[in-house]
Amino acid sequence: QQQVKQSPQSLIVQKGGISIINCAYENTAFDYFPWYQQFPGKGPALLIAIRPDVSEKKEGRFTISFNKSAKQFSLHIMDSQPGDSATYFCAASGTSGTYKYIFGTGTRLKVLA
Amino acid sequence: GAGVSQTPSNKVTEKGKYVELRCDPISGHTALYWYRQSLGQGPEFLIYFQGTGAADDSGLPNDRFFAVRPEGSVSTLKIQRTERGDSAVYLCASSFSGVTGELFFGEGSRLTVL
Repeated sequence: QQQVKQSPQSLIVQKGGISIINCAYENTAFDYFPWYQQFPGKGPALLIAIRPDVSEKKEGRFTISFNKSAKQFSLHIMDSQPGDSATYFCAASGTSGTYKYIFGTGTRLKVLA
Repeated sequence: GAGVSQTPSNKVTEKGKYVELRCDPISGHTALYWYRQSLGQGPEFLIYFQGTGAADDSGLPNDRFFAVRPEGSVSTLKIQRTERGDSAVYLCASSFSGVTGELFFGEGSRLTVL
């Protein structure tokens, strides 16, 4: 029930294309869903986050779509660039322990020039 | 400093040895977290400090792992009698408060147990 399932494990996209990464959760107590971006040798960095009171959040080329009834959320990267090549992690946390993020297993994105 | 600082960046040790990993959080952040990231996996929660006290240590895998934050700033993760399975990147993160908001991660300490 504490798991966050992430897919795909890896993704190759042409420059300018759309990258889509999906996550699913079981625990309905989760109420904060961040996406983190991690480059090799670096720590994860927050990219964008959403709470379940909205179905979509957009920041620049990055959009989170959230489906509360299906308990799924996804990251869309529009106009993907080679500099977006990194590993992306979805995560979830709940009000009872907002600090305790449960992370997905990660998606390694490669954007071809 | 501007970000979360972790030392050492790399640590190679032999099975059975004792290891200490240090984290210096962002100034003013009261909440500090330790996560462990195994190869090809997402970070796994270990322990959370609010100020000097460990508010939640439920993620520590066993009693060989211990963490302290004596003055509410720098934290040390201590691993006794290291095992090969302890090899991972140990990530420290801090946030302004422990209730909500962004976690700021350090670059991690890569531990290799031979």
